[in-house]
Amino acid sequence: QKEVEQDPGPLSVPEGAIVSLNCTYSNSAFQYFMWYRQYSRKGPELLMYTYSSGNKEDGRFTAQVDKSSKYISLFIRDSQPSDSATYLCAWGWSGAGGTSYGKLTFGQGTILTVHP
Amino acid sequence: GAGVSQSPSNKVTEKGKDVELRCDPISGHTALYWYRQRLGQGLEFLIYFQGNSAPDKSGLPSDRFSAERTGESVSTLTIQRTQQEDSAVYLCASSARFTVWFFGPGTRLTVL
Repeated sequence: QKEVEQDPGPLSVPEGAIVSLNCTYSNSAFQYFMWYRQYSRKGPELLMYTYSSGNKEDGRFTAQVDKSSKYISLFIRDSQPSDSATYLCAWGWSGAGGTSYGKLTFGQGTILTVHP
Repeated sequence: GAGVSQSPSNKVTEKGKDVELRCDPISGHTALYWYRQRLGQGLEFLIYFQGNSAPDKSGLPSDRFSAERTGESVSTLTIQRTQQEDSAVYLCASSARFTVWFFGPGTRLTVL
């Protein structure tokens, strides 16, 4: 079983739609959860970051984490054509014994297209 | 510069040749990471540097791959005797706090 499974997509939605992106993970050692956005031919950029279960909101973006189900989601409200990108979920953990370098494990990405 | 930079942005090479990929992290970031991203895939961890040492090289796919970092700054990823399966985007990231990472734009490597 892969450590991280991400809904593969691709997704194509009309402008203004609510988008839901989802990932599941198997390693209960993961402590923090991130969503990255990657535009074509660019490096990933951090969108959302959280340690805890529950919802975290930032403008049109909401990250939802359910540690008991090992499930995270990213919701995008009022989606815009500029949101068209690949979205990557990622997990990290601090490790034991002082080796807290925060190595991230990534999902395979979901390509989102928002058309006008 | 303000962000992580990588060079070259694109590299096309013939099978069997050696290549060097460069990463300039954000100034002051002690942690540096290399990842590989194959077409349609997520990011695959290669190696992590803390300062100039590499406590985790577990992601390097074979002994053809090596990396070094000098001056707690620039890092070079070297791939010897390149193979077609090495074709990918190689991404570098740096971090000051181990939790917020900043990625460079990547080097797109194509092995013919």
